[in-house]
Amino acid sequence: AQSVTQPDIHITVSEGASLELRCNYSYGATPYLFWYVQSPGQGLQLLLKYFSGDTLVQGIKGFEAEFKRSQSSFNLRKPSVHWSDAAEYFCAVRTDSWGKLQFGAGTQVVVTP
Amino acid sequence: EAGVAQSPRYKIIEKRQSVAFWCNPISGHATLYWYQQILGQGPKLLIQFQNNGVVDDSQLPKDRFSAERLKGVDSTLKIQPAKLEDSAVYLCASREGTGNTGELFFGEGSRLTVL
Repeated sequence: AQSVTQPDIHITVSEGASLELRCNYSYGATPYLFWYVQSPGQGLQLLLKYFSGDTLVQGIKGFEAEFKRSQSSFNLRKPSVHWSDAAEYFCAVRTDSWGKLQFGAGTQVVVTP
Repeated sequence: EAGVAQSPRYKIIEKRQSVAFWCNPISGHATLYWYQQILGQGPKLLIQFQNNGVVDDSQLPKDRFSAERLKGVDSTLKIQPAKLEDSAVYLCASREGTGNTGELFFGEGSRLTVL
């Protein structure tokens, strides 16, 4: 069965510091992977996606993610966080050809001054 | 380009009452999804439409939840009767194509509180 695990429920990071959010997936075929961000009271916004090719994917807002098949991971990174990056981040895997997404439980990011 | 529109944004009801949520997807998007997001959890798919046909409703509690997408555009999700555990944000999303590379666009959600 497909699954997505985000091991960190909550992360606190200082403004200007680097950020890495972990995501592990379980999926039989080649995975299509996504990272979404959700600000309070808002819907989900796509940060980046991986379908194939280069395993280092660039996204919006200065985020990037690296697909590692050997580790079944798709970790999200940002070199220097801004206060506006405080939000909840969700990793997701596409589970069928109709586009259905299975989400992880999310990681809440708090940015301190 | 207008995004996915949902209403109402907030709804408070008592258990055993009914509620309906409305979604207007991005124009031309054939695929529409309803997700349920309980506090502290990731979104979970309830139902998926392709045009006005149901593709997947395996996770929809059919004894109390129903959804329709008449004419393949707007969609309505109904809960009757509501239970306390239905308190959640209901997210609507739409996607343009049927291939594997189409992006899902989400609305801002409808937050339901059941007392």
